[in-house]
Amino acid sequence: DVKVTQSSRYLVKRTGEKVFLECVQDMDHENMFWYRQDPGLGLRLIYFSYDVKMKEKGDIPEGYSVSREKKERFSLILESASTNQTSMYLCASSAPTELTDTQYFGPGTRLTVL
Amino acid sequence: SQKIEQNSEALNIQEGKTATLTCNYTNYSPAYLQWYRQDPGRGPVFLLLIRENEKEKRKERLKVTFDTTLKQSLFHITASQPADSATYLCALSTGGGNKLTFGTGTQLKVEL
Repeated sequence: DVKVTQSSRYLVKRTGEKVFLECVQDMDHENMFWYRQDPGLGLRLIYFSYDVKMKEKGDIPEGYSVSREKKERFSLILESASTNQTSMYLCASSAPTELTDTQYFGPGTRLTVL
Repeated sequence: SQKIEQNSEALNIQEGKTATLTCNYTNYSPAYLQWYRQDPGRGPVFLLLIRENEKEKRKERLKVTFDTTLKQSLFHITASQPADSATYLCALSTGGGNKLTFGTGTQLKVEL
């Protein structure tokens, strides 16, 4: 089974702090994604990566950056956290060889910015 | 722009009945339509996929239909149980290693 893990289930940070959210997958998937999920807004794509050191902006990249130095690891960075970045953050991975784009999600990180 | 619509209101049904959830889309020609289950505070979990050239797909108590003319998918859970209570998301893709576009989900509550 595909396993996607995220570094923290719950995180509380202060405004202005730099925040790192880590995601690791163990299935050698090329594609990795970061979403945020807010009530009534559904899943919104922040960034995704098709390969090591490659990244592409999703629908809401402002205020975020990403890093993918190794195939299995995709990090989301909040350079200067703000209260409007309080949300549930979800990481996912997929294999382009599957053709169907099925994504496998981690358990999520509930981030609160005070 | 691409748009996916799912009922935003929660669906409440009695145990043993069939739950039917709807997913409508516009400005999209998906090759695949997928359904995911999400429990509170957890990540979505893949349930079932249907291809554009398939009309219906079944897996145990789950059934998905896909009408590309109506641009609609129906997701059925037969003999529903309280354990089926969750939010169900539909997602579309064109395939070939691309992104998924998700709907906002419909919350299902199965009552005793």
